[in-house]
Amino acid sequence: DTAVSQTPKYLVTQMGNDKSIKCEQNLGHDTMYWYKQDSKKFLKIMFSYNNKELIINETVPNRFSPKSPDKAHLNLHINSLELGDSAVYFCASSQLGRANYGYTFGSGTRLTVV
Amino acid sequence: RKEVEQDPGPFNVPEGATVAFNCTYSNSASQSFFWYRQDCRKEPKLLMSVYSSGNEDGRFTAQLNRASQYISLLIRDSKLSDSATYLCVVISNFGNEKLTFGTGTRLTIIP
Repeated sequence: DTAVSQTPKYLVTQMGNDKSIKCEQNLGHDTMYWYKQDSKKFLKIMFSYNNKELIINETVPNRFSPKSPDKAHLNLHINSLELGDSAVYFCASSQLGRANYGYTFGSGTRLTVV
Repeated sequence: RKEVEQDPGPFNVPEGATVAFNCTYSNSASQSFFWYRQDCRKEPKLLMSVYSSGNEDGRFTAQLNRASQYISLLIRDSKLSDSATYLCVVISNFGNEKLTFGTGTRLTIIP
């Protein structure tokens, strides 16, 4: 039973397309995150939602729009994809106030823009 | 300057050896500290939290020096399965508990 599941696992698409990545967690956590890991393997936060409310919005192009229909789901929609968007995108969840228990990460979505 | 700095390595260490990684953080208001482990093409996973008094989990020992803003991880009797990238992680804002990652230190244990 996967705790944080992301789909798709791999995504290859052409520049200019619009794509979505979905994330679901069954841990009962109240907070979900999107992280981007670039080609240099550096992990950087993009967004965070707590109980469907946006609480972190780092400097990310407007082409990226997160949506959280409920606290168990956090999706990421990307418009007008660019070559530089190629990266691994990780979804994660945690319980706010219990960070010492760690985040649980999904297995990642490897996005390649050609 | 990056908020969390690590030596990227790679560290190539013979099996059974002891290896230590260091990490520095720039925000003196940082609240919580962790080591995460990431295997090749996998997601990061929590290895251990780091407490002010230092803490140990089996072969792994973590230390925190708040005055020097420095965190360390010591691995004793290294195993082949310890080969991975070790990520130093800090929470600076207790309100949103955003994890800020270092660039990671790559460790390879050689048989």
